[in-house]
Amino acid sequence: NAGVTQTPKFQVLKTGQSMTLQCAQDMNHNSMYWYRQDPGMGLRLIYYSASEGTTDKGEVPNGYNVSRLNKREFSLRLESAAPSQTSVYFCASSEQYEQYFGPGTRLTVT
Amino acid sequence: GDSVTQMEGPVTLSEEAFLTINCTYTATGYPSLFWYVQYPGEGLQLLLKATKADDKGSNKGFEATYRKETTSFHLEKGSVQVSDSAVYFCALAYGGATNKLIFGTGTLLAVQP
Repeated sequence: NAGVTQTPKFQVLKTGQSMTLQCAQDMNHNSMYWYRQDPGMGLRLIYYSASEGTTDKGEVPNGYNVSRLNKREFSLRLESAAPSQTSVYFCASSEQYEQYFGPGTRLTVT
Repeated sequence: GDSVTQMEGPVTLSEEAFLTINCTYTATGYPSLFWYVQYPGEGLQLLLKATKADDKGSNKGFEATYRKETTSFHLEKGSVQVSDSAVYFCALAYGGATNKLIFGTGTLLAVQP
């Protein structure tokens, strides 16, 4: 099992550009999450999906959109990137208590 | 609202030293509590968990006890190794079946040989 995979690993964008971060899990989990990690702030929840076909806002949703394409895949889209979105992005999935994390995408917006 | 507070780092220890990383929480009810570990360049991994008061979670020599009277979940290890160098996050679950997590800010542990 690959667990949770994310693409790309690294990305540099210019202000105003758009991109989609991809996430997939092969554990048949219902719930999936997108977090951002910033120095000194821990991980903050951007969006989550409790099941296929549903999505909800987390703590810091502004500037992002998500799509739960099917049970395996949960993508995060930045429509118009801003320097404040420079961060490391993690996708996770879970069933009951434990969340399983992907390796992360390091995004820099210049 | 719910929150998690953990001690700031970095924490620098010599190999075989005793480790404590403090974590306290604020929550309504009795949420499940977790410690996650992040090794350099990787995602987070669950280290241990406790789902009710007085439970002790343990894994890889690390332990933490869910103390409702002090709203704490401190992480301890009797003898750290260089390979334990990582960032440690305390977290609590909220939102019922959605299993959302609130994380502390993380504590960097550096173990020197």
